[in-house]
Amino acid sequence: DTAVSQTPKYLVTQMGNDKSIKCEQNLGHDTMYWYKQDSKKFLKIMFSYNNKELIINETVPNRFSPKSPDKAHLNLHINSLELGDSAVYFCASSQSEGRAETQYFGPGTRLLVL
Amino acid sequence: GNSVTQMEGPVTLSEEAFLTINCTYTATGYPSLFWYVQYPGEGLQLLLKATKADDKGSNKGFEATYRKETTSFHLEKGSVQVSDSAVYFCARHNNNDMRFGAGTRLTVKP
Repeated sequence: DTAVSQTPKYLVTQMGNDKSIKCEQNLGHDTMYWYKQDSKKFLKIMFSYNNKELIINETVPNRFSPKSPDKAHLNLHINSLELGDSAVYFCASSQSEGRAETQYFGPGTRLLVL
Repeated sequence: GNSVTQMEGPVTLSEEAFLTINCTYTATGYPSLFWYVQYPGEGLQLLLKATKADDKGSNKGFEATYRKETTSFHLEKGSVQVSDSAVYFCARHNNNDMRFGAGTRLTVKP
């Protein structure tokens, strides 16, 4: 059973389109995250939700909007896609937002904007 | 700037060689420290962690010791295997603030 799953695995789209990436965790965790990994493997946190409430919102363009319908899901919607949005997006979850918690990552969604 | 600095790669070693990947951090208070590993085409997974000063995290032959005096958490392994080839990320978590280093790519050749 996959602990943290993301769909789709690959996403190729044109500039200006709107797309969504879905994430689900079946670990019963309270906290979920979205990260962006660029082509040089640098990993940067975008958002963090705890029990469906936003707790971290890094400097990310307004075009990116997370939505958490329940604590097992954290979806990422991206409006007006740009070339620079091409990256691998990872969803993760942890039991809580505590500093010692291990984060469990999904397999990633590889987004290519043409 | 980034509050986690780790050794730039890529690192290429022969099988059974000794590995060190340096990591230093900046943080207020008492962060937890982590090493995550990313195998090709996969997400990150926890390798080891330490939550207070002088703690040693260990797993699969890898070790790292939380050194508060030098703000470091260097990763070591006495004898690497081909299957250890991956990208290694140092990270610190403090006050709802999780930061990763830039990653170090390790390639182990037979």
